[in-house]
Amino acid sequence: ELKVEQNPLFLSMQEGKNYTIYCNYSTTSDRLYWYRQDPGKSLESLFVLLSNGAVKQEGRLMASLDTKARLSTLHITAAVHDLSATYFCAVDTDNNNDMRFGAGTRLTVKP
Amino acid sequence: DTGVSQDPRHKITKRGQNVTFRCDPISEHNRLYWYRQTLGQGPEFLTYFQNEAQLEKSRLLSDRFSAERPKGSFSTLEIQRTEQGDSAMYLCASSLGLALREYFGPGTRLTVT
Repeated sequence: ELKVEQNPLFLSMQEGKNYTIYCNYSTTSDRLYWYRQDPGKSLESLFVLLSNGAVKQEGRLMASLDTKARLSTLHITAAVHDLSATYFCAVDTDNNNDMRFGAGTRLTVKP
Repeated sequence: DTGVSQDPRHKITKRGQNVTFRCDPISEHNRLYWYRQTLGQGPEFLTYFQNEAQLEKSRLLSDRFSAERPKGSFSTLEIQRTEQGDSAMYLCASSLGLALREYFGPGTRLTVT
C-alpha cells in the first residue's frame, strides 16, 4: 500500500530562518506534488516534480526529488510571515490508479 | 473569472438523502479531479477524468459515489444515501494534462446531519 509521510507535522519558525520539510513515500513513483493550503481555503499547487534529481524553485520555496531514496524536500529560505500555511506533498502511483497525500506540515512563521 | 468553480459552496443534508455537486473546470483543461478532505486531514483522491472518460476511481470510493463528466466539460459528483462519515470538503481540480499543474476550485463543504 502506498504510504506518504511528512515531517515535521508542525513547524514554528522565526522570520528570516531557513528550514526543510521532508516527504517520504513507500512505492516507486516518478511524480511528486507539493501543495499549499491556507486555513479554510482550497489547495494551491506549488510544484510538480517528474524525475529523479528534479529541482524547482519559486520565490523562497525550493522543492527537490530523489526517487531512489523515495524522498522529496521542500526547503524554505529566509521565511516570511506570508508563508504560514499547511503544506502537503502527494505521490502518484505509476499506474495512475491512486494518489496519496501526506498528512501535511502546518507552518507558522513568527515575526 | 476563468478559474475552477464549484457549486454549491455549502450543502447541509440529512442522512440518507442524495446530494449532487457540480464542478466547472478551466475551459481548455482536459483533466478533472475530485478529492475529499476532512477537517485536519490531508486530501483523499476520489476519481479523475480525461475529457469525458473516467480513468480511475479510488478504492476509497464506495458504490454510493458516482461521478460523470458529460461532453468533457463540467463534472458532477453524486453521493447516494449519505452517511455522517461523508461530511467533508469536496474539492475539484483541473489541469491541461497528466502531471501538469492543477488548479483547484473553492470546494463544496458537505455536512450530513
